[in-house]
Amino acid sequence: EAGVAQSPRYKIIEKRQSVAFWCNPISGHATLYWYQQILGQGPKLLIQFQNNGVVDDSQLPKDRFSAERLKGVDSTLKIQPAKLEDSAVYLCASSLDVGIPRTQYFGPGTRLLVL
Amino acid sequence: SQQGEEDPQALSIQEGENATMNCSYKTSINNLQWYRQNSGRGLVHLILIRSNEREKHSGRLRVTLDTSKKSSSLLITASRAADTASYFCATGYTGANSKLTFGKGITLSVRP
Repeated sequence: EAGVAQSPRYKIIEKRQSVAFWCNPISGHATLYWYQQILGQGPKLLIQFQNNGVVDDSQLPKDRFSAERLKGVDSTLKIQPAKLEDSAVYLCASSLDVGIPRTQYFGPGTRLLVL
Repeated sequence: SQQGEEDPQALSIQEGENATMNCSYKTSINNLQWYRQNSGRGLVHLILIRSNEREKHSGRLRVTLDTSKKSSSLLITASRAADTASYFCATGYTGANSKLTFGKGITLSVRP
């Protein structure tokens, strides 16, 4: 079974530029999560999708971050414009839409450096 | 904050020794999960314990949950160098869908 795929793995941009991350979840997983992990901290949930609907985006800085999952499969997270404090690893995870609690399966992450 | 807090922040042991890591949380939970993260990689699920369970085992892993003290422990027996990683506890709350809240993590170093 293929795992969660993410691209790119690394990205370096200057502040005020835009950047986009892509995630393809495990086949059949209806729930998709985007996390931000700052160095030395645990992952913080940015947004959770169930199919193509948003379940929770309470911690997403909506003035600069946006995410979509148009066909209920892969997803894109965008930052526009980026700030220095956005430097972090952006993790995508997915889970089956069956019961609670659920195990989350994580991708390798995208490491973003904003200069 | 509902975030779990792990203790200690860092742990260094010799190969073959046991490693015990603790997690405390503040509000009632539905479940608690432990994840491992190797340097530069994504998180890997280790074990899940529900609020009505007290202890679970998986291979060399043993997790306990004390809801009266709002705490959990993860024990790794007979540690190996490959166990070197960061370990996170994640808590799930009733009514929070499948959302998990992660702690800051424990860095475990196992010396060969």
